[in-house]
Amino acid sequence: GIQVEQSPPDLILQEGANSTLRCNFSDSVNNLQWFHQNPWGQLINLFYIPSGTKQNGRLSATTVATERYSLLYISSSQTTDSGVYFCAATNAGGTSYGKLTFGQGTILTVHP
Amino acid sequence: KAGVTQTPRYLIKTRGQQVTLSCSPISGHRSVSWYQQTPGQGLQFLFEYFSETQRNKGNFPGRFSGRQFSNSRSEMNVSTLELGDSALYLCASSREGLAPPFFGPGTRLTVL
Repeated sequence: GIQVEQSPPDLILQEGANSTLRCNFSDSVNNLQWFHQNPWGQLINLFYIPSGTKQNGRLSATTVATERYSLLYISSSQTTDSGVYFCAATNAGGTSYGKLTFGQGTILTVHP
Repeated sequence: KAGVTQTPRYLIKTRGQQVTLSCSPISGHRSVSWYQQTPGQGLQFLFEYFSETQRNKGNFPGRFSGRQFSNSRSEMNVSTLELGDSALYLCASSREGLAPPFFGPGTRLTVL
């Protein structure tokens, strides 16, 4: 099956700094999502981005499907951005996105 | 529109017991998937149900089972609990076809 790798595993920032999280995937995908896991464990959808670029406030994401990677950009980070960020993907050719393969996550800590 | 709901939110069981977890999808969503999250293995896919049929299955022993009802609500069952089954169990729902899933708050299971 598809493999998803995220880097870096840990990231420590001062408030106001910018950061880039990377996700590499081993095969063609028809779904690529970024999630933020809140302190209570719920996965919050950030982006559905199998290809191209999207922006939502201070967050943006780019997926280059032909090169099998995706990037999540966080600008002007805030302490509330702290938490774990996951990338997840589904193999191309499937009929649903119900079988996601997750990366190991990036633990982001933003200090005031 | 209400999100995905999971019950119970917390559960403590002892080894050898069995447990049933419930997931109610977002209204109109017919696909329900289950994931297990542990510190050692990360987020792993358990199974996906669509229209009361199991559509995909992860690599878990037969002690893990699930079902889906005609109203799309789903349950998963773990029999003969082991200490290693302690985890956060997450449920996700999505519309029919290629649509990104949305996650519930999870059920945190502790096996003593």
